Amino acid sequence: AQSVTQLGSHVSVSEGALVLLRCNYSSSVPPYLFWYVQYPNQGLQLLLKYTSAATLVKGINGFEAEFKKSETSFHLTKPSAHMSDAAEYFCAVSRTGANNLFFGTGTRLTVIP
Amino acid sequence: SQTIHQWPATLVQPVGSPLSLECTVEGTSNPNLYWYRQAAGRGLQLLFYSVGIGQISSEVPQNLSASRPQDRQFILSSKKLLLSDSGFYLCAWLSPGVRETQYFGPGTRLLVL
Repeated sequence: AQSVTQLGSHVSVSEGALVLLRCNYSSSVPPYLFWYVQYPNQGLQLLLKYTSAATLVKGINGFEAEFKKSETSFHLTKPSAHMSDAAEYFCAVSRTGANNLFFGTGTRLTVIP
Repeated sequence: SQTIHQWPATLVQPVGSPLSLECTVEGTSNPNLYWYRQAAGRGLQLLFYSVGIGQISSEVPQNLSASRPQDRQFILSSKKLLLSDSGFYLCAWLSPGVRETQYFGPGTRLLVL
């Protein structure tokens, strides 16, 4: 079975500081991993995904994530936070492409000016 | 290009009233379609998914039902709403192939009073 754990339901960073949102997964087979972002009262937007190619995945808006099999992690990072990054971020895992996604409970990112 | 629509955007309904939420996709044919619910402070819960017209899979027992009367239309319904049905409902479609990804609609916020 697959599952995702997002450590920290709320993360606050100062504008310009590093953003690190944590995601650990559990999967019996090599997983597909996704990060989505949700702005208030909107649907989810795909940030990036890992599909067994390069372990460092670059996404939109300057975000990237690194797949670390030994740590079963897929943490999301951005070198310098911007006010517009304030949103909720969801990590998701699947073992069969994107058909059956299991989502984490989300991390709300606050950016302090 | 493909787009996904949901309506209404917001809905306030009394307990015991019926519900019908609609999701339509443009620019693709016979996509896999999904209904998720996002309750306050919680992650996404998959409610239903459909791989084709008239084909519905239910993920959790609940007060809701889904139908797919047309190729690109997915409807979420209830005969009698409960307070616990309040939440943010998201529809998604699956883009197939090598770059398989779920794309989400803008969502419907439902408040049951």
